[in-house]
Amino acid sequence: QVTLKESGPGILQPSQTLSLTCSFSGFSLSTYGMCVGWIRQSSGKGLEWLANIWWNDDKYYNPSLKNRLTISKDTSNNQAFLKITNMDTADTATYYCAQSGRWGAYWGQGTLVTVSS
Amino acid sequence: DTVLTQSPALAVSPGERVSISCRASEGVNSYMHWYQQKPGQQPKLLIYKASNLASGVPARFSGSGSGTDFTLTIDPVEADDTATYFCQQSWNDPYTFGAGTKLELK
Repeated sequence: QVTLKESGPGILQPSQTLSLTCSFSGFSLSTYGMCVGWIRQSSGKGLEWLANIWWNDDKYYNPSLKNRLTISKDTSNNQAFLKITNMDTADTATYYCAQSGRWGAYWGQGTLVTVSS
Repeated sequence: DTVLTQSPALAVSPGERVSISCRASEGVNSYMHWYQQKPGQQPKLLIYKASNLASGVPARFSGSGSGTDFTLTIDPVEADDTATYFCQQSWNDPYTFGAGTKLELK
């Protein structure tokens, strides 16, 4: 059974860096073909695919955010991470991780991140 | 970016057949996927690569299309299908989602 769970700070101030953790079970990111992605959902922009990281450490970034995103993984602890720099109020959203690739097969429950001064 | 256009809302009666459309602003080959999202929940994959049923999804759900025009069909619709349905493409960079179609039951 594949499960994923996101964790984050909940609230942060403009210009700060967001650090998110995705803890998963039921699969390994060291297995050929496996991938974890990050997607966010806001009332203003809807669903937005942010980044992917594959078993071989290949990475995909949404070009519109690429300069601000860093995705990484800890295979031994079944975790994936996303950092977003220079957060703005427009980045307020629910952030999801998913076992993915080109589509999100299984999604975590999401973590709400609010950017406010 | 590839824009995916969906109708905002549909209302159907239980037992009927409903088709939800998604039109892409440019070709996406067969890399169109469909999700169901209920209030307060995460999206759930229904269909991947246009017509492939995701694991555990009832056969009442089906997908079709290629290129720029795609359809998610639910037949027959059940009360539990009340939700918002999103399409997503992953042929063009960046991957994009439609704004969603809210399905209500009469």
